[in-house]
Amino acid sequence: DAKTTQPPSMDCAEGRAANLPCNHSTISGNEYVYWYRQIHSQGPQYIIHGLKNNETNEMASLIITEDRKSSTLILPHATLRDTAVYYCIVRPRAYNTDKLIFGTGTRLQVFP
Amino acid sequence: ETGVTQSPTHLIKTRGQQVTLRCSSQSGHNTVSWYQQALGQGPQFIFQYYREEENGRGNFPPRFSGLQFPNYSSELNVNALELDDSALYLCASSGGLANTGELFFGEGSRLTVL
Repeated sequence: DAKTTQPPSMDCAEGRAANLPCNHSTISGNEYVYWYRQIHSQGPQYIIHGLKNNETNEMASLIITEDRKSSTLILPHATLRDTAVYYCIVRPRAYNTDKLIFGTGTRLQVFP
Repeated sequence: ETGVTQSPTHLIKTRGQQVTLRCSSQSGHNTVSWYQQALGQGPQFIFQYYREEENGRGNFPPRFSGLQFPNYSSELNVNALELDDSALYLCASSGGLANTGELFFGEGSRLTVL
């Protein structure tokens, strides 16, 4: 079973920030938080990951609470092309396994 | 640099038949994993291959099997197809010199079992 909980759906106006929450209250010290998204009929796409510090890249920002029990993915200026299912995944630090446990994710709808 | 490519993109089979799906990993990646995604669900891990050996498996029966070749490409074989095997099958690759733990997924092969 997935170790994360996400709202099933969210809406966001184009040009506004999209803030996608994720709860991972049972996360352990050696586990990272990863975010992927899946645009309709495509394979999942990596967005960002972090351990305990906030992270930012060209796609998004990841804010992890101090107790690491929850996080928020921020798309600063959402566009229509950001409409997708967003998956928050907890993954062990060791890179010897590619097993990702996906939940059902959050379906983000960006509207004009 | 080419990404992960999968073939075929779509196929239809009948119950009891066998199917082989193919995946070419991203250049420089040595690990390939396979996922099954039923309609409306998140992907589920089937297994992964590293250096031509299976080294991790999810909760799938033995009729799901695979291969990895010396060039790191891979095959997923499913025998005795069942209706519930209808799904999108995703291949992902990782590894290489700058291993950040990121998985690169292909577009998938959509299998319909009638």
